[in-house]
Amino acid sequence: EPEVTQTPSHQVTQMGQEVILRCVPISNHLYFYWYRQILGQKVEFLVSFYNNEISEKSEIFDDQFSVERPDGSNFTLKIRSTKLEDSAMYFCASSPGGDYGYTFGSGTRLTVV
Amino acid sequence: GENVEQHPSTLSVQEGDSAVIKCTYSDSASNYFPWYKQELGKGPQLIIDIRSNVGEKKDQRIAVTLNKTAKHFSLHITETQPEDSAVYFCAASLSNTGKLIFGQGTTLQVKP
Repeated sequence: EPEVTQTPSHQVTQMGQEVILRCVPISNHLYFYWYRQILGQKVEFLVSFYNNEISEKSEIFDDQFSVERPDGSNFTLKIRSTKLEDSAMYFCASSPGGDYGYTFGSGTRLTVV
Repeated sequence: GENVEQHPSTLSVQEGDSAVIKCTYSDSASNYFPWYKQELGKGPQLIIDIRSNVGEKKDQRIAVTLNKTAKHFSLHITETQPEDSAVYFCAASLSNTGKLIFGQGTTLQVKP
């Protein structure tokens, strides 16, 4: 069964550093998403991406965050200057649209120290 | 904005019993309600979804019911098995490609 692949599975970074979280969505999917889950809290929407542009973003997704689909297969989330409160599990997801729902990746655990 | 509340936070049942997890949502415009199962170290996996033009949907041992008037929907798992043990999340959205608003999650433990 096709999968959404996320790398790395765990990343530790120093506060103030830039991080890039990488995702390879399912190949024929058209809609792409990032969500995050802080330990013990709800899964929260960050951003959705369709037709090479952001279609919706949450209040969390401020100027420190950006997304790219640089080569038609990868979908990346960049955090420019990480803060301690950015520590969370970040999930990428994709959807083909139509009547189908999302497929989530296994997540990247980001730890900011 | 939209809010989704999920209960209970933990649920323990004996193998073979049924399990029911309930969610309420606040935005009456929501019309897509998926349920996800999350096992340790994995991402959420879609197990069943329902749209607002349907009141109930079944897939083998899993069923979901939706009451649009009351703005609540429920997941029913019958004949539970130990491999059903996981965290279950409900979510609501304006569409199946729109942003999902998640509930808090329910940790289901099925005891052999």
